[in-house]
Amino acid sequence: EIVLTQSPGTLSLSPGERATLSCRASQSVSSTYLAWYQQKPGQAPSLLIYAASSRATGIPDRFSGSGSGTDFTLTISRLEPEDFAVYYCQQYGSSPTFGQGTKVEI
Amino acid sequence: EVQLVESGGGLVQPGRSLRLSCAASGFTFDDYAMHWVRQAPGKGLEWVSGISWNSGSIGYADSVKGRFTISRDNARNSLYLQMNSLRAEDMALYYCARDPRAYSSGYFDLWGRGTLVTVSS
Repeated sequence: EIVLTQSPGTLSLSPGERATLSCRASQSVSSTYLAWYQQKPGQAPSLLIYAASSRATGIPDRFSGSGSGTDFTLTISRLEPEDFAVYYCQQYGSSPTFGQGTKVEI
Repeated sequence: EVQLVESGGGLVQPGRSLRLSCAASGFTFDDYAMHWVRQAPGKGLEWVSGISWNSGSIGYADSVKGRFTISRDNARNSLYLQMNSLRAEDMALYYCARDPRAYSSGYFDLWGRGTLVTVSS
């Protein structure tokens, strides 16, 4: 099983600032099979990024993903108030697994 | 409207069974693989099981293998999860999630709102 470790656990930022979230895999994720999700309180997760860097339909371009192998990054270029949430990375190169999440808070 | 609606959750005693359902609407159900993902209270996400469009390919997390069975009925646009021998650690909000491919790619582009399973005596 591929274990994903996200850091930091919590990111305290202000609207307009840049957020950089990290996701590290215990072994190489094949073919950049990595996704990112956003989850707001009381809501289901929603897909932001797939294939490490492809934005899902309707996702604004302030969200970007990068990385390969074992190190991946989600960047939010300028935080909007609605971006404060928990973010999960997920690998799907083998049996799907998720990271433990990063909370982006004001 | 494109949506997934789960049902069937509730309070169940350890060792008993429960069957979850997921009703899909607004899209061609049999064009997509489908999955169940769960989230224990206050915890992260855990993939539970997935099934290809034609039920020809099925996978389970090790934590539920041999106890849970996923199935689908394309004529009814429905996904199911039969959960047997339930344990306290199975208590979670269970999400139905759509895979963007007919044969599972393993990520999820549409989620339901979830149905809560509580396992307690």
